[in-house]
Amino acid sequence: QLQLQESGPGLVKPSETLSLTCAVSGGSISNNIYYWGWIRQPPGKGLEWIGSISYSGSTYYNPSLNSRVTISVDTSKNQFSLEMTSVTAADTALYYCARGRYCAGSDCYESGDFDYWGQGTLVTVSS
Amino acid sequence: DIQMTQSPSTLSASVGDRVTITCRASQSISSWLAWYQQKPGKAPKLLIYKASSLESGVPSRFSGSGSGTEFTLTISSLQPDDFATYYCQQYYSYSLTFGGGTKVEIK
Repeated sequence: QLQLQESGPGLVKPSETLSLTCAVSGGSISNNIYYWGWIRQPPGKGLEWIGSISYSGSTYYNPSLNSRVTISVDTSKNQFSLEMTSVTAADTALYYCARGRYCAGSDCYESGDFDYWGQGTLVTVSS
Repeated sequence: DIQMTQSPSTLSASVGDRVTITCRASQSISSWLAWYQQKPGKAPKLLIYKASSLESGVPSRFSGSGSGTEFTLTISSLQPDDFATYYCQQYYSYSLTFGGGTKVEIK
């Protein structure tokens, strides 16, 4: 059974950099029919896609966050990471990592849904 | 960016009711749409992919339909475990977007 586990500081100061890691177990991050994503959810609000990365390192970011976000993958450790610079209180949220599928059933596409999610980690931006 | 608009934002229903949630895309996304269920304190759970395909293990009372810009999620007979918030997500574009969510409450 695939498992994803987020880790990182729960408290980040304004203007600093948020760094999170997602450890993947029960499956290889190098499987090319999957990609890996970060999604966040501010308290009491909806889901916001942050960005995604393929096992080979191709990245796609939310245009509203693009200039502040970097996602990287470490296949040797079977994990991927998120860095978000210049954080403000508006970045306070529950951050999820998830596995995306290029293929489901008999259909493959250039992007996809998220079939496995981590439990989420709360990051608070405050001085 | 493709905008996803869900309606209603909140829905009050009783056990046994047939419930329908709508998701509209700002442009055609073909059938590249997923539906998720989220309960308080939990990660979202994938219910439906490619607009109408039921994810493995999901009860058959859940169904999805639609293509282009208008989609629906239907729960044929609402069960106590179904009171939750539901989100749609388009994956037609590399830039993924979620709908704002529909909370299904007990009437």
